[in-house]
Amino acid sequence: KQEVTQIPAALSVPEGENLVLNCSFTDSAIYNLQWFRQDPGKGLTSLLLIQSSQREQTSGRLNASLDKSSGRSTLYIAASQPGDSATYLCAVLTTDSWGKFQFGAGTQVVVTP
Amino acid sequence: KAGVTQTPRYLIKTRGQQVTLSCSPISGHRSVSWYQQTPGQGLQFLFEYFSETQRNKGNFPGRFSGRQFSNSRSEMNVSTLELGDSALYLCASSQHRDSGANVLTFGAGSRLTVL
Repeated sequence: KQEVTQIPAALSVPEGENLVLNCSFTDSAIYNLQWFRQDPGKGLTSLLLIQSSQREQTSGRLNASLDKSSGRSTLYIAASQPGDSATYLCAVLTTDSWGKFQFGAGTQVVVTP
Repeated sequence: KAGVTQTPRYLIKTRGQQVTLSCSPISGHRSVSWYQQTPGQGLQFLFEYFSETQRNKGNFPGRFSGRQFSNSRSEMNVSTLELGDSALYLCASSQHRDSGANVLTFGAGSRLTVL
């Protein structure tokens, strides 16, 4: 059974610092891993998708890496801004999941001006 | 291209009532999945439909049901509502079957409050 863990649960940084968010998973037989952002009371916004055969993906200030052998993914956000304040979730699609993505509990990020 | 549309956005019900939530996926997406989000349990998988067939169901009681229509629109129903059913219900759609290219796109959610 796939288990996804995100540490830390909460993180506060001053504006301008780089953010490092971690996601670990127990079953390496995955199709992909996806990072999302969620603002309070809202739906989830997709940030990056890393397919099983890829090692990293980049979009603007965001970079996500994937290491299947160790069951880890890291999301880097460069030069954080107050607008980056949100909860960040990772989700994994395993090969026997039949459409079910397994989510981590999320990391709540606060970027202070 | 329109996103995933969920209706209603907010609703208040009393215990024992039933509720139906609707989800219109992105055009061309054949997979629709539903998740329940609560502060204590996080995001929990309810079920997933692909081409009108339920492929997977999460660990929820039989009071939770769903269906998908031929145009890929989906509905979920909760009968005999309990206080613990208060949650944000999120619908997501994707274009592909299980594959590396399977990207989930979420709607804004339906906020259900049970009194």
